[in-house]
Amino acid sequence: ETGVTQSPTHLIKTRGQQVTLRCSSQSGHNTVSWYQQALGQGPQFIFQYYREEENGRGNFPPRFSGLQFPNYSSELNVNALELDDSALYLCASSLPGHLNTEAFFGQGTRLTVV
Amino acid sequence: GENVEQHPSTLSVQEGDSAVIKCTYSDSASNYFPWYKQELGKRPQLIIDIRSNVGEKKDQRIAVTLNKTAKHFSLHITETQPEDSAVYFCAASRSGTASKLTFGTGTRLQVTL
Repeated sequence: ETGVTQSPTHLIKTRGQQVTLRCSSQSGHNTVSWYQQALGQGPQFIFQYYREEENGRGNFPPRFSGLQFPNYSSELNVNALELDDSALYLCASSLPGHLNTEAFFGQGTRLTVV
Repeated sequence: GENVEQHPSTLSVQEGDSAVIKCTYSDSASNYFPWYKQELGKRPQLIIDIRSNVGEKKDQRIAVTLNKTAKHFSLHITETQPEDSAVYFCAASRSGTASKLTFGTGTRLQVTL
C-alpha cells in the first residue's frame, strides 16, 4: 500500500454544486498531480502542483482549480458541477525532477453528479 | 498535445499463454513510458517502465519494448496467471519522469484457467 490517501472515497453532488477533494501525499513527496478517470477510460491529467504552485495543466476548464499546502497535501476544487464530471478522481504524489521515477496513486474519490 | 492509443481494448488468454498489449504515441518528444495495472476498485500501480534511451526492459515475466522511430511500445506478459487479470494502461510523458502522464484507454486482460 502507498502512503497516498484521498478523501472522501465516495461523493454524490447535484449539478451546479461545488466540490472539494483532498489528497495527502506520500511522505517526502512534494509533487502532487490530479487525474480524472471516467468509467472505462484511462486517467486524464488535470494539473500538477509543486511547492504550492501549479506546475502544468491539462485540457480542463478553469472551474477545475487546486491548491497545495505547505505540508504538500493538496485539494482539487470543481465549481458548477456538470453531469460529465462524474468520474474517479485520482491524485498521485512523486518526488520532483530527475528523482521522479514513479507516481504513487491514491485510491481515488468516486464523484457522482446527479 | 500527446495522444496515446492502446490496443486491444480486451484480451482473453489461457493461463500459461503470453499476452501482448500495444500502444502508439504521437509526440516524438515523449521520453518516458510507464505501464500501470489497475485491479477492480483499486489504484493504478506501476508494473514496469522504459525510457527513450532503452529499447527493451524485462522484469521476470514482464517485458516492455520501445520503437522510437515508429513511436510505439508494447507490454509482453509471459506465462500468464489468473492474478494477472486486470486493466492495463500504457502512458507517455515528455518530461522524462512520471509527471504529467498521458494515458491510453486501457486493456482489460482476462486470464482463464
